[in-house]
Amino acid sequence: SYELTQPPSVSVSPGQTARITCSGDALPKKYAYWYQQKSGQAPVLVIYEDSKRPSGIPERFSGSSSGTMATLTVSGAQVEDEADYYCYSTDSSDNHWVFGGGTKLTVL
Amino acid sequence: EVQLVQSGAEVKKPGESLRISCKGSGYSFTSYWINWVRQMPGKGLEWMGRIDPSDSRTNYSPSFQGHVTISADKSIRTAYLQWSSLKASDTAIYYCARKDVWGQGTTVTVSS
Repeated sequence: SYELTQPPSVSVSPGQTARITCSGDALPKKYAYWYQQKSGQAPVLVIYEDSKRPSGIPERFSGSSSGTMATLTVSGAQVEDEADYYCYSTDSSDNHWVFGGGTKLTVL
Repeated sequence: EVQLVQSGAEVKKPGESLRISCKGSGYSFTSYWINWVRQMPGKGLEWMGRIDPSDSRTNYSPSFQGHVTISADKSIRTAYLQWSSLKASDTAIYYCARKDVWGQGTTVTVSS
């Protein structure tokens, strides 16, 4: 079955740029979505269709995709950005969606 | 305001059946697929499957096919996730979601 691969953890100091990657064979043709999940809360969409930012999401969150890798970038990461981040996409059939394993972002 | 509101927490015994619900409001319910997502304690998000409320077409993850049933009643703007025989390993938080909006989650605890 289709898989998306993320690093388990990323750590940066406040104000630095954090980059979280997501690799998958279908990503050259399928959009990636990114979700932020803070402890005890439901996930929140932070990037959709590779690089679009929903209203209300800070501009420091951005997304890109090239080849088989999508990337979530948090420019000038804040302590409040500490969370688990998940990429989400579909296989070539469009009928089976998957989440990446999640990346814990630590900002300290 | 677009909302997905899920039913409350459940405590069940192994072998029991269960149906949890997800009610949409603030948008055209039949215009968006509803996905179900599992999160086991301390673990990541797992896509279980989805339903198109306009015609009840479903897709399931191979990992969940045959273990759960996803359905919807568009007349009352509600999607469902059901089990016919729960196991202890079904203990988890279950979310319904569009891509952009998520329910608050339903905690299911299965214990003898």
